[in-house]
Amino acid sequence: AQSVTQLDSQVPVFEEAPVELRCNYSSSVSVYLFWYVQYPNQGLQLLLKYLSGSTLVKGINGFEAEFNKSQTSFHLRKPSVHISDTAEYFCAVSDARRAAGNKLTFGGGTRVLVKP
Amino acid sequence: EADIYQTPRYLVIGTGKKITLECSQTMGHDKMYWYQQDPGMELHLIHYSYGVNSTEKGDLSSESTVSRIRTEHFPLTLESARPSHTSQYLCASSAFKGPGARDEQFFGPGTRLTVL
Repeated sequence: AQSVTQLDSQVPVFEEAPVELRCNYSSSVSVYLFWYVQYPNQGLQLLLKYLSGSTLVKGINGFEAEFNKSQTSFHLRKPSVHISDTAEYFCAVSDARRAAGNKLTFGGGTRVLVKP
Repeated sequence: EADIYQTPRYLVIGTGKKITLECSQTMGHDKMYWYQQDPGMELHLIHYSYGVNSTEKGDLSSESTVSRIRTEHFPLTLESARPSHTSQYLCASSAFKGPGARDEQFFGPGTRLTVL
């Protein structure tokens, strides 16, 4: 079984400032890692994912994340946020073994509030 | 562009009523999922299906039931709604893309259920 911890439940940030959202996971097997964004009254949209290869993953809307296996982390960053980045952000993992299917385990979410 | 739909978007209903939350996708995905999202944002998998006539319970126990008679349709039913069922329900789908690949889950907009 896997578990995901998002260390910050809420992150206020000023427009054009950088932001980092922290995500740590625990698993006894290899995992795939995902970041999703949820805008108000909408479903989840995939920002980026790590499956294998380069540990620095670039996603949509200028976001990127770095997989750190030794620290079991997958922190999300953006160098300069916009008002439109105000949303909930979810980190998720899935068991990388093919037989495990594609079930996701989510973290508790981080609410980003971008202030002008 | 993801084509996954949920109806109704909002539902307020009295205790004891039977309700069905609809989820449909037009992408031909074989895998479908239901997540429950608590007011504090955390998402939990409650049901999943890997194909027609295949349904499994997820990580979080739920009194709801699901069916998968058609590939594109994955309704969730509560026989007797209770206030403890008040939550947001998110449907998702994905498709197997071959060995070594990891299918992305596409999410619907969600149904916000309130049971009085």
